[in-house]
Amino acid sequence: SQKIEQNSEALNIQEGKTATLTCNYTNYSPAYLQWYRQDPGRGPVFLLLIRENEKEKRKERLKVTFDTTLKQSLFHITASQPADSATYLCALDASGGSYIPTFGRGTSLIVHP
Amino acid sequence: GAVVSQHPSWVICKSGTSVKIECRSLDFQATTMFWYRQFPKQSLMLMATSNEGSKATYEQGVEKDKFLINHASLTLSTLTVTSAHPEDSSFYICSAQDRNLGSNTEAFFGQGTRLTVV
Repeated sequence: SQKIEQNSEALNIQEGKTATLTCNYTNYSPAYLQWYRQDPGRGPVFLLLIRENEKEKRKERLKVTFDTTLKQSLFHITASQPADSATYLCALDASGGSYIPTFGRGTSLIVHP
Repeated sequence: GAVVSQHPSWVICKSGTSVKIECRSLDFQATTMFWYRQFPKQSLMLMATSNEGSKATYEQGVEKDKFLINHASLTLSTLTVTSAHPEDSSFYICSAQDRNLGSNTEAFFGQGTRLTVV
């Protein structure tokens, strides 16, 4: 069956450290993968998109890697801040390039001052 | 980034009544809109995809007669939950995309609507 797996346990880290979140998928061949941030009671906010032919993408303190062999994406936040505390969702294009994102459950990140 | 406005942000209704949720794209043409529902600590589940001027395509298991979707203009889509029951209580989120820019362009999300049916 098709699955998108994100660690359901919250990730607690200290301010200033690098947070690394994982997204694994099974039985998908996505053309691209995205990461979103969601705050409680709010809709998701787009952060980064990485395509299947890209290994790595950066945006300010954010870095995303995409390994289509391992079927895994890693999402890094460097120099983390308490304001980075939120739930981070990965979504992949499950429809062969027609962009209908399918979401993982998300991982909660808590950055302690 | 582009703005999608969803209204209301929360609503409480009585069992058996209908509730309409609006999703507007404020500064771009939303050729395609997606409607999701999300239960606590769960992922967003796609309910339906609608293209402007066409009937919505519903995901398996979503009752089209219960969740009426209208996408009559390039800036507005509505989701009406008909004869709502307590099990319909959830967080409903829309997202909008301009596919005139290509199918792999970013979709922008509304703020979500918390529906509570009592």
